[in-house]
Order: sequence, then C-alpha cells, then structure tokens
Amino acid sequence: GAGVSQSPSNKVTEKGKDVELRCDPISGHTALYWYRQSLGQGLEFLIYFQGNSAPDKSGLPSDRFSAERTGGSVSTLTIQRTQQEDSAVYLCASSLITGSGNTIYFGEGSWLTVV
Amino acid sequence: DAKTTQPNSMESNEEEPVHLPCNHSTISGTDYIHWYRQLPSQGPEYVIHGLTSNVNNRMASLAIAEDRKSSTLILHRATLRDAAVYYCILRRDGSNTGKLIFGQGTTLQVKP
Repeated sequence: GAGVSQSPSNKVTEKGKDVELRCDPISGHTALYWYRQSLGQGLEFLIYFQGNSAPDKSGLPSDRFSAERTGGSVSTLTIQRTQQEDSAVYLCASSLITGSGNTIYFGEGSWLTVV
Repeated sequence: DAKTTQPNSMESNEEEPVHLPCNHSTISGTDYIHWYRQLPSQGPEYVIHGLTSNVNNRMASLAIAEDRKSSTLILHRATLRDAAVYYCILRRDGSNTGKLIFGQGTTLQVKP
C-alpha cells in the first residue's frame, strides 16, 4: 500500500480495558506521529518518533498512554485502563524526515469508542 | 511555533473561487506557512506550503503578504469535494521536531 495504514479502523471497548492501536507508516519514512481528535474538536498532538532519537512524548495526556516504534517502522499506541474521555479518532502520520518543508501524510485513523 | 488565526467558517458557491485567510503576525523569518485540509471522516491532507513567494500547485495557490504576517489560500474553482476544514500552520525551519500544531481551522461549506 502507498499510504499510512492504521488498524483497527474501529474499536469499541469497555471502560477499564486496555487497547492497542497500530500504525504502518509509508515505507522509508523515518518520522512518525500520533494525533488524537475528539468529536468536533481539533487535532491534538500526542507523540512523535524520529529515527533512533528519543521520542517527543510531550503531548501524551496521562501515563495511561504510551507508544512504541519497533524497528523504525510500525508503531503501536497503547491506552491502559481506558476512560470514556479517551473516545476519539487516533490519527497516525509519517514523513520522510523532519524539516519545515516536508509533507506529512496521515492515515485514515482508528476510531475508538469507550463505553 | 508561532500562532495562526483563521475564521471559524466560510461559505462558497460551487465553481466560484474561494479565498481562505490566515493571520500570523508573530511569524519569524524561518517559519514556513503550511496548509492542510481535513475532509469529513478522513485524516488531514497536505495542500500547499511556502516561505515568501506565492506558490501554485494543482490543488491551490498560496498568496503570501509582503510582510509575511498574513497569507491566503486560494481555491480557484470550488467543488463540493472541497468542503473541509482548512488548517493554516507555521513550521520553523531547522526545527528538530516534526509535530504540527493544529488550530481550529476554517470550516469551508460549498453550496451547489
């Protein structure tokens, strides 16, 4: 596939359960980003990975949120003990390298509903 | 990154040009101006970016004021498919972080 791929596309989970969201970036892209968008709201930055550098975790809302990126490619965003306010679409994006002129490509998102 | 200001919403008629404004009065000399848009139920997509000179691509044109404190995204002939939220974002050259900070953007409605 040519684009950023995310799975699952939709997830309904019970409050208190853990969830994992997966992102396959575009092949060769060294930068990977996670954003969250609640219904009717703007995009909220969560975390950013660039190569082997330490990730920028400054946007993670709580310690229930974590993300890893294995082998410099696939990334998993984990939400532990989910709460209803975690319901949102989680968007992954990737780009070749950082830098002001580089385009960032987004996936279609994983829609999470916590009931 | 410097802040941008955009109108919350705009309306346009189909097949007419649309001018989407963005104010960025605190822009620095190394800030690039980027535009992304988000169609309903989709992730954002890149539209265009520029530094000082006006830019054109197949999707749109970007007109940048001489003092760079404002810019305008121009859709030459709006279609129904152009109905989306348009985000104007600044990215500083040389920044070692790739994160884009999104504001609320402008919701564009296109009427048939």
